[in-house]
Amino acid sequence: DAMVIQNPRYQVTQFGKPVTLSCSQTLNHNVMYWYQQKSSQAPKLLFHYYDKDFNNEADTPDNFQSRRPNTSFCFLDIRSPGLGDAAMYLCATSREKTVIGFYEQYFGPGTRLTVT
Amino acid sequence: AQKVTQAQTEISVVEKEDVTLDCVYETRDTTYYLFWYKQPPSGELVFLIRRNSFDEQNEISGRYSWNFQKSTSSFNFTITASQVVDSAVYFCALSDPGGGSQGNLIFGKGTKLSVKP
Repeated sequence: DAMVIQNPRYQVTQFGKPVTLSCSQTLNHNVMYWYQQKSSQAPKLLFHYYDKDFNNEADTPDNFQSRRPNTSFCFLDIRSPGLGDAAMYLCATSREKTVIGFYEQYFGPGTRLTVT
Repeated sequence: AQKVTQAQTEISVVEKEDVTLDCVYETRDTTYYLFWYKQPPSGELVFLIRRNSFDEQNEISGRYSWNFQKSTSSFNFTITASQVVDSAVYFCALSDPGGGSQGNLIFGKGTKLSVKP
């Protein structure tokens, strides 16, 4: 089945120690997104890639970076995690927006990040 | 401003009851899209439906149905004969084409549905 895969499902890191979360997809979608979701809140978009074009949300902290080496893979790097960065991180993909369409996003299972 | 309101924070029903989850939206756009997602305890957001602003026909998929009314800016979701497996947080979302090169989804705060046996 075509899908969005995230590894690892659970990640524990220490305060200030860089961490990388990964996402891969077999849907061949041009657009990939990273969201942060804290407990009992809606997902919050951090950034997205349209092909290799990176789009950062205005309020995403500089501590969060992303890389997309090819269509299938996308990484989220947190350079110096703080306690406030503990959250679920969700990767999603979609077809590109067109003049006649705005398409649904397909989400991976998420990576739950704990910062100690 | 673009906004999605899900006024019901939590709903609890007994199995086999029907339940309706409300979604009210605000948008400046004449063309827009609305979505519903389900997030079970496992955490993955599952896409349920996409509806564009020009299609006001109600939709039914098994026990799920959606009622889209532009006149009241609402896109409500009904589960008929609820089951324990329907227990999840349900998010309504609105397209925001101005959010970056590919737009953005504006999520409501979600409604947590608990279905008890």
